[in-house]
Amino acid sequence: GQNIDQPTEMTATEGAIVQINCTYQTSGFNGLFWYQQHAGEAPTFLSYNVLDGLEEKGRFSSFLSRSKGYSYLLLKELQMKDSASYLCAVRDSNYQLIWGAGTKLIIKP
Amino acid sequence: IAGITQAPTSQILAAGRRMTLRCTQDMRHNAMYWYRQDLGLGLRLIHYSNTAGTTGKGEVPDGYSVSRANTDDFPLTLASAVPSQTSVYFCASSARASAEQFFGPGTRLTVL
Repeated sequence: GQNIDQPTEMTATEGAIVQINCTYQTSGFNGLFWYQQHAGEAPTFLSYNVLDGLEEKGRFSSFLSRSKGYSYLLLKELQMKDSASYLCAVRDSNYQLIWGAGTKLIIKP
Repeated sequence: IAGITQAPTSQILAAGRRMTLRCTQDMRHNAMYWYRQDLGLGLRLIHYSNTAGTTGKGEVPDGYSVSRANTDDFPLTLASAVPSQTSVYFCASSARASAEQFFGPGTRLTVL
């Protein structure tokens, strides 16, 4: 079966750094996405990895290791507005997205 | 402003009733998708369309139908609603099946 695992909830302090992990087992791999979803709102695209390594975009970075079926999202200089759920999704061999349940990130002052 | 719109924003529906959720995008995206999101679960794909005139079944298609008569519109119909269809429904689109998806604001549906 297909499975995406990520922690249910994490807490971090404003100004700090947090790493959200995602492991996956899917039928085929055609890229991994990270989305941000604030409570009551739609998911919005953050990053995309298809090759191994680190992709950096401002305060956010995403890493992929295809051999380990592993990715992480790194958020630096945390701000209160970063409190949200972070969704990991893998595009499978049929080019459909398989989604994790999301990690709720709580930022404390 | 370019994007995806969904209607209604929320709806309470009696079991057994027929309901159509509307989705319209003005980005001229080829691919469109319908997901449901339930607490503790990831987004689950209901139906998708890679281009106008074609549709496909996702992970949880039973009880739902879709049509794609043109590029912009992708309505989702519940023929006879049941309480297990209570959920938040998101429509999404992408320029092509391999591109990132953009989401509409969602429809919160409650079936009693």
